[in-house]
Amino acid sequence: GAGVSQSPSNKVTEKGKDVELRCDPISGHTALYWYRQSLGQGLEFLIYFQGNSAPDKSGLPSDRFSAERTGGSVSTLTIQRTQQEDSAVYLCASSTGDSSYEQYFGPGTRLTVT
Amino acid sequence: QKEVEQNSGPLSVPEGAIASLNCTYSDRGSQSFFWYRQYSGKSPELIMSIYSNGDKEDGRFTAQLNKASQYVSLLIRDSQPSDSATYLCAVNTYSGGGADGLTFGKGTHLIIQP
Repeated sequence: GAGVSQSPSNKVTEKGKDVELRCDPISGHTALYWYRQSLGQGLEFLIYFQGNSAPDKSGLPSDRFSAERTGGSVSTLTIQRTQQEDSAVYLCASSTGDSSYEQYFGPGTRLTVT
Repeated sequence: QKEVEQNSGPLSVPEGAIASLNCTYSDRGSQSFFWYRQYSGKSPELIMSIYSNGDKEDGRFTAQLNKASQYVSLLIRDSQPSDSATYLCAVNTYSGGGADGLTFGKGTHLIIQP
């Protein structure tokens, strides 16, 4: 079946602009996760949704970052007033929400802030 | 602070030999353990999950878990050049509020020499 999809695949934006990244999870997966991977850095967990609810937003790097999920499916990660340090690959993953906790990643969005 | 440690490598292994990748984690409450493979420029791909002490085999891959030593390993038998990638160890701790995000190590770069 179809995997996790993300759009856009690449985004170049100017410092100070807002960007919106989209994730469409595997059909039927109730849990959705956002991570980012900076050059030479490990994967950093940002936020997760169980259904439409995000129980813990403490992983978001700053208040410029926000995320939402509607209809238990598509999620958007919004970065306001982008900074150069926001440049990274933003990865979305989904899981069934059962006790296996196995997460499957999408192809990512490469964000470059100039 | 949850930490996952891996030797960054590169780990060079001859084709056909066994590649052994290791990982230690700091949180004794961790309950789910995963190995992901990441090719350069691609997103992580789940290859193994393990939840209880002992060995778990899937094809050429064997995951080993020792919770007392807080140690996870991945063995790749009959290594192939296509196994050359970065291998990420990831750990999940269920907080009771739902499936938390994974904590990743920075990965071990594996090179299989033909």
